Amino acid sequence: QVQLVQSGAEVKKPGASVKVSCKASGYTFTSYDINWVRQATGQGLEWMGWMNPNSGNTGYAQKFQGRVTMTRNTSISTAYMELSSLRSEDTAVYYCARVWGESFDYWGQGTLVTVSS
Amino acid sequence: SYVLTQPPSVSVAPGQTARITCGGNNIGSKSVHWYQQKPGQAPVLVVYDDSDRPSGIPERFSGSNSGNTATLTISRVEAGDEADYYCQVWDSSSDPVVFGGGTKLTVL
Repeated sequence: QVQLVQSGAEVKKPGASVKVSCKASGYTFTSYDINWVRQATGQGLEWMGWMNPNSGNTGYAQKFQGRVTMTRNTSISTAYMELSSLRSEDTAVYYCARVWGESFDYWGQGTLVTVSS
Repeated sequence: SYVLTQPPSVSVAPGQTARITCGGNNIGSKSVHWYQQKPGQAPVLVVYDDSDRPSGIPERFSGSNSGNTATLTISRVEAGDEADYYCQVWDSSSDPVVFGGGTKLTVL
C-alpha cells in the first residue's frame, strides 16, 4: 500500500534551518510529483511547492521563494523539504503529499516544526 | 492570485444533508478537489475532479461544480463526518495550488 512516512518533530531557534524528510513506499517514487503543504495551529492549509522526483525540477510558492529548497534521493525513495531563516510564524505542521492528476491522493502523517527561542 | 472562499462553519443534524460551498471566479472551468481533515490527522481526499470519489470513500460524499460555486454534498450525515473540509484547485497563476480557507462541519 502507498505510504508517505515523515521524519519526527523538530524544535528550532529563530534564524535556523529545518529539513523534513518524506519516505515513499508502495509505488514507484519517480512516477509522481511530491508537494509540500503546511498548517499552522488552528489555521488552514498552505501550499509551499512541488518537486518532480524523476527530474528534480521544483516550483515554489512566491511566499517561500529564497527560503525553501525541495530535493530528493531516488535511491531511498525520499523527498526533502528544507526551510531556512526560520521565524516564529513558521511554527506549523508540515505535510508531504503525492500528486494525482491535480489533487493530492496520499499524505504523510505530518511533521511538527516549532520555532522558539 | 486565485481565491477560494468557503463558509467558516456548517452545522447539520445526523441523517440530514450537509452542503459545503467553495466560491471562486469561474470555478466551473476548473477541477475542484475536496479534503476531509479530522483533528490531529492529515487531510484525506474525499472528492476529486469535481465529483469523483477515491476508492474507500462512501457514496454519501458527492460533488458538483458550476459557474462560480463548487459544492461538496454529504448525505445522511453521521457523527464521524464531523471534520474540517477544504476545497482545492490547480490554477495557472504563479502559485498553482490554491486551497480554500476550510469549513468546519459540526454534527448537532
